[in-house]
Amino acid sequence: DVKVTQSSRYLVKRTGEKVFLECVQDMDHENMFWYRQDPGLGLRLIYFSYDVKMKEKGDIPEGYSVSREKKERFSLILESASTNQTSMYLCASSNELGQYFGPGTRLTVT
Amino acid sequence: RKEVEQDPGPFNVPEGATVAFNCTYSNSASQSFFWYRQDCRKEPKLLMSVYSSGNEDGRFTAQLNRASQYISLLIRDSKLSDSATYLCVVRRAGAGNNRKLIWGLGTSLAVNP
Repeated sequence: DVKVTQSSRYLVKRTGEKVFLECVQDMDHENMFWYRQDPGLGLRLIYFSYDVKMKEKGDIPEGYSVSREKKERFSLILESASTNQTSMYLCASSNELGQYFGPGTRLTVT
Repeated sequence: RKEVEQDPGPFNVPEGATVAFNCTYSNSASQSFFWYRQDCRKEPKLLMSVYSSGNEDGRFTAQLNRASQYISLLIRDSKLSDSATYLCVVRRAGAGNNRKLIWGLGTSLAVNP
């Protein structure tokens, strides 16, 4: 079974703080993704990576950056958290059969 | 117009019923199609891929109509445990190896006893 883990299930941060969300997959997948999911807006792609040290912007990269130093780990960074970044953050990795998600991190920025 | 559109529902059906969802996509060059299931406050999970010839997995049947640009999911003999949101997902042509998928907003299903 594919296993994708995320560092926290729930996180509360203050406006302006730097936030790190970590994601690890154990299936040696090349592709990894960060999404956010909001009611009425569905899943929106923030960034993805198709190899170590490679990254591409998704549909809503503003306010975010990513890091992929090792194949199994893909980190999402909020340089200066804002209240409109309160959301559910989902990490995924993929093979030819589909994308496999971690349990999500519910981030609240106050 | 959204690239992938679904009726949000909710669909309320009794146990044992047959229910069908449709999903339309606007990019005729779309290459691959999937149905995911998402339970409340959980992550999406792959339910099944959709093949050109249609495919079946137990009580679930998926079909693709390229001419009309829609895919469908049929659930037979609904169970209480089928209650979830069903997400239609399309991979754009040229994206390669599921690198970038387009997600519908989902159709909510509630199966009632």
